[in-house]
Order: sequence, then C-alpha cells, then structure tokens
Amino acid sequence: GAGVSQSPSNKVTEKGKDVELRCDPISGHTALYWYRQSLGQGLEFLIYFQGNSAPDKSGLPSDRFSAERTGGSVSTLTIQRTQQEDSAVYLCASSLDRVETQYFGPGTRLLVL
Amino acid sequence: EDQVTQSPEALRLQEGESSSLNCSYTVSGLRGLFWYRQDPGKGPEFLFTLYSAGEEKEKERLKATLTKKESFLHITAPKPEDSATYLCAVNRSGNQFYFGTGTSLTVIP
Repeated sequence: GAGVSQSPSNKVTEKGKDVELRCDPISGHTALYWYRQSLGQGLEFLIYFQGNSAPDKSGLPSDRFSAERTGGSVSTLTIQRTQQEDSAVYLCASSLDRVETQYFGPGTRLLVL
Repeated sequence: EDQVTQSPEALRLQEGESSSLNCSYTVSGLRGLFWYRQDPGKGPEFLFTLYSAGEEKEKERLKATLTKKESFLHITAPKPEDSATYLCAVNRSGNQFYFGTGTSLTVIP
C-alpha cells in the first residue's frame, strides 16, 4: 500500500516568509508525528496527533510553529516568519497507535535564505 | 533526563567484516525500542521493534538485541548495500519517541 507522503520535497524561502508543509499519512493510521532533523542532529520531536484528541505540542520550538490535522488524516505544519535556523529536514511519521511502529515519509528539505 | 546515545558515530567496515552498533538509553518506563535505517536524502525506514529485555529480532544480516540499559544491532558479513545511517529510538509511557543521533555505517567492497 501507499506509504507516508510529504510535499513539497524541497522548499527554498526567504527569511521572514511563511511556509506550509504537508503530510499524508498511511490510511487508517490514527497517530501522526512531525519531527525536525538538522545536520548532525537526532530527530527532534515537534508535535503529535492522536485521533480526535488534543495534539501534544510540547516539542514546538516557538510560537512561529503550528500544525493542524484535518479529518484525522492530512496534516499541515506551518512555520511563520521563517528564520535561517529553521532550515532543516522536516519529517512526518504515522502509526496505527501511539505506541506502535512509526512509518516515515521522505521529508521536506527546507532552506531559509 | 531521558536520553538515547548511539555509538560509534561512524563505522567503516570491510565487506564481510561483522560488527555491532550500540544504543544505550536512560528512559524510565520503556515501552519499546526501535531501530531504523536511513539512506541519504530519505526518511527513516523501520527495521525492528524490541519491547523487553532479552528479546531478539533478526532480518537478513541484521540482528537486534535488548537489555535493560542498551540495545545492539549486530551486522553479520555486511555488504556495501548495508551502508546507511542506523537510528535508534525509544518510546516511554507517553507520546514521545526519543531518537539517538545515529551511527553512519560504510561498508567498503
């Protein structure tokens, strides 16, 4: 079956602009995660969605970052007023439940100039 | 503080030279330990999940083991196509997964 998909695959933007990153999870997966991976760093947890529950936003680095998940499926991560330090690979993962194996998308490579 | 440490950071092996990668963790209430493989420019690809000390999982040339403090990923007779970064992650009670920074493996023909 289809895996997790993310778009765009690459995004170059200017400092101060807003960007939206999209994630389509595996059908039927109730849990969805966003991570950030910077060069030489481990995956940094950003936000977690589980079904209709309130999302766990504890990993969001600032109030410039927000995410939503519509209809329990597609998720959008929005970064407002981008800064150069936001440059990273943003990875989305989904799983059947919160303690189950996560399956990752290919990531969106964001470069803020 | 919850922590996941992987070693070594980088490993170069000759084709056929077996070795092990280490993932040590200090996490209370471990629910699962996960191994992933990540190729350049791609998202992590799931390999194994281990849930309790003493558990072992195998897949082709890879074997993962788990103790109360660490996990090992043993690579037997590696081939060049095994070259990748191997990531370890732990999930404890709660929503979050904690990832290590990975071991970059290069297998030389």
